[in-house]
Amino acid sequence: AQTVTQSQPEMSVQEAETVTLSCTYDTSESDYYLFWYKQPPSRQMILVIRQEAYKQQNATENRFSVNFQKAAKSFSLKISDSQLGDAAMYFCAYRSEGSQGNLIFGKGTKLSVKP
Amino acid sequence: NAGVMQNPRHLVRRRGQEARLRCSPMKGHSHVYWYRQLPEEGLKFMVYLQKENIIDESGMPKERFSAEFPKEGPSILRIQQVVRGDSAAYFCASSPWGGSYEQYFGPGTRLTVT
Repeated sequence: AQTVTQSQPEMSVQEAETVTLSCTYDTSESDYYLFWYKQPPSRQMILVIRQEAYKQQNATENRFSVNFQKAAKSFSLKISDSQLGDAAMYFCAYRSEGSQGNLIFGKGTKLSVKP
Repeated sequence: NAGVMQNPRHLVRRRGQEARLRCSPMKGHSHVYWYRQLPEEGLKFMVYLQKENIIDESGMPKERFSAEFPKEGPSILRIQQVVRGDSAAYFCASSPWGGSYEQYFGPGTRLTVT
């Protein structure tokens, strides 16, 4: 069975600085998708970024980018120019290519942004 | 296009009562997923439904929990004889087709069992 591990329960960053959140996963599959979701205090789950495993190029969405290392099964999220609104729980998630679509989540990293 | 709707947002039940959680998917979406988030945990998959069909219920507890997605109306997650351990946030997500990597989440229902 696939597992997702986020080893940093909490992280802190100064406003305008850069922070990297770690995620590793375990799978024997070669085709899959990886995601980062943001959960602010409102508890709404917001998709931040996604990566298809067959793509070598790292995904980027504005200030958010990933470092996808397929061989190492690592999928870290980099947030540049951190803003106060980035403060939230961040969850890494995995989905098999051949699955019905259900996501497997890590336990999350709580990010604080200091003004 | 309205997003995924869930109601109620907060639900308080006494032990032994029934809880009914509703999820209305986005317009045009016929696939619904339910997830449960225990305190300090990530979301865990419970069940995947299409209209009138349960496709995957591998994450559902064997007893007291059931789900449906009728031809008309919202998807319902039903918990009978609730216990304190059922206290959690329950999220539903919808997608336009099964296997789509894009799942749109609702705001969740926070269930508290007293």
